[in-house]
Amino acid sequence: QSVLTQPPSVSAAPGQKVTISCSGSSSNIGSNYVSWYQQLPGTAPKLLIYENNKRPSGIPDRFSGSKSGTSATLGITGLQTGDEADYYCGTWDSSLSAGVFGGGTKLTVL
Amino acid sequence: EVQLVESGGGLVQPGGSLRLSCAASGFTFSTYSMNWVRQAPGKGLEWVSYISTTSSAIYYADSVKGRFTISRDNAKNSLYLQMNSLRAEDTAVYYCARGEVGSGQQFDYWGQGTLVTVSS
Repeated sequence: QSVLTQPPSVSAAPGQKVTISCSGSSSNIGSNYVSWYQQLPGTAPKLLIYENNKRPSGIPDRFSGSKSGTSATLGITGLQTGDEADYYCGTWDSSLSAGVFGGGTKLTVL
Repeated sequence: EVQLVESGGGLVQPGGSLRLSCAASGFTFSTYSMNWVRQAPGKGLEWVSYISTTSSAIYYADSVKGRFTISRDNAKNSLYLQMNSLRAEDTAVYYCARGEVGSGQQFDYWGQGTLVTVSS
């Protein structure tokens, strides 16, 4: 059971928009920055969003992040088949003094 | 180019030990904090451990506390994970990841991972 809660799967058609939610508590999302990672099949995770809404160099602006209270959201617009991957949210839990991840969301681009 | 290359994985019996290494290149290793993150087969990511630049701050997940030890050698640009008293549930791909924790979590570079299998 993950500390952060994500939907197991989401799907949308090419060109459409999708959002992935990440729910936590006051000791993690509520008091710390959230990051998002993309894991393509058979590869290592890749940082997509950090500090809630910032994109590393090279990440297209089709990817966006937001945070409100104890929840965070990843948005992806202009979906492409190459976006099919598992997406994870992550943060620090100040009560546990530990890093925490969501259980992951599998994105299918129909 | 930043590179992180893990090694040391393999098959080990329950109760056994293994030492993982992560060789870093392409950046000034001594100025970055490092982490180990694992992923059991078909499962999600699990943060394992963090070590600060000078090893003054170290954290562990409860699931490995007392059994695993993280360390680093800045002169050798290397990160290590000593794993003792291994259990079947420790079976996973282990990734080293560069980045800070504390006010969030920001792992900007990851290695390709090394597979640890705990089985008799």
